[in-house]
Amino acid sequence: SAVISQKPSRDICQRGTSLTIQCQVDSQVTMMFWYRQQPGQSLTLIATANQGSEATYESGFVIDKFPISRPNLTFSTLTVSNMSPEDSSIYLCSLRQGRETQYFGPGTRLLVL
Amino acid sequence: ELKVEQNPLFLSMQEGKNYTIYCNYSTTSDRLYWYRQDPGKSLESLFVLLSNGAVKQEGRLMASLDTKARLSTLHITAAVHDLSATYFCAEAYGGATNKLIFGTGTLLAVQP
Repeated sequence: SAVISQKPSRDICQRGTSLTIQCQVDSQVTMMFWYRQQPGQSLTLIATANQGSEATYESGFVIDKFPISRPNLTFSTLTVSNMSPEDSSIYLCSLRQGRETQYFGPGTRLLVL
Repeated sequence: ELKVEQNPLFLSMQEGKNYTIYCNYSTTSDRLYWYRQDPGKSLESLFVLLSNGAVKQEGRLMASLDTKARLSTLHITAAVHDLSATYFCAEAYGGATNKLIFGTGTLLAVQP
């Protein structure tokens, strides 16, 4: 199975600032996904990131707030811009391997004060 | 509207007992996932169910899929404390993109 790492693992940020989260995979994957898990909640898909094309955002998420880069097949970044306390969540990158299996990274725990 | 409903939301069990978590989903998806999440951890993949009638088992956990009823179940046999965690089901949508919509999660607490 793919090994996924995320940086940072956790951070505490001030409102109005931005944080960029990195996701690194040990193998080449076409599709990567970014999910958010708000405190005590389930996971919600933010966007799908394919290498070489613009990310596709789900309803309720916009590029200005969550810009995503996908410069190659093993790396992606998610930026949380102009943060507010409501952005405090766990952010997870995910990838599909083959047709079936979908793996998740360890997550980035973000607290916005 | 895409929707995945899990019940119960919280389950307190005694060790040695059996129980079932239910997952109802809204589309004709043929891919249903079960994940486990321990406190402060990421998601661990448990099962991927790909077709109607699919049944998979790993240790004390068994998952099944009924696509006609749009229902998946996760059955726990003779629960042990180590199974305490939050369990999520997720339905795949978006065709080949394989986006996931998650259920609300079931917090399982196995009491000794």
